Amino acid sequence: DAGITQSPRHKVTETGTPVTLRCHQTENHRYMYWYRQDPGHGLRLIHYSYGVKDTDKGEVSDGYSVSRSKTEDFLLTLESATSSQTSVYFCAISAQEGNQPQHFGDGTRLSIL
Amino acid sequence: EDQVTQSPEALRLQEGESSSLNCSYTVSGLRGLFWYRQDPGKGPEFLFTLYSAGEEKEKERLKATLTKKESFLHITAPKPEDSATYLCAGIGGYNKLIFGAGTRLAVHP
Repeated sequence: DAGITQSPRHKVTETGTPVTLRCHQTENHRYMYWYRQDPGHGLRLIHYSYGVKDTDKGEVSDGYSVSRSKTEDFLLTLESATSSQTSVYFCAISAQEGNQPQHFGDGTRLSIL
Repeated sequence: EDQVTQSPEALRLQEGESSSLNCSYTVSGLRGLFWYRQDPGKGPEFLFTLYSAGEEKEKERLKATLTKKESFLHITAPKPEDSATYLCAGIGGYNKLIFGAGTRLAVHP
């Protein structure tokens, strides 16, 4: 299994609070991604990183920010959580961009009340 | 707009009853078509990459095929442990994976 650890695995919080999710990898892969997964939708890309301090927006980036200060860590922050951000969040990594597979962590289930 | 559509949404099979899952795609400049398996409470697990029409990949009871418009995941003589959600995703010129919503497969003994 790819060495990807997401934390926390579960979190319940209230609307308006800040939330930070962490993704840690031990594969030394350059590319890291944050997705959300909701019923009836495919996985949707939030943000991605192509190197330390290099990030870009995905399809559903509004309300989210990211940071990558080290190769192994990619943080996703909800500055002021809303109920629409209740979801399961997955981190993925890949060695190359493009036609190489991404490998996923086991997700964080986030509930915003 | 790039899009990936999977059918059926859910499939129930008896053990040993072979079937196929469909993944239709409209992805500009398709560079790869990926299949993943996802178990409840887990992240997607990579199964196959297909790069060009006519290509086939096999792993145990699973075989993935690709045409210019769709991909199929054939499951031969499935077992209960094959029960999972199967995800299809395409990557094109924008280098972003576009996922389908998945097919939930249940195999009953």
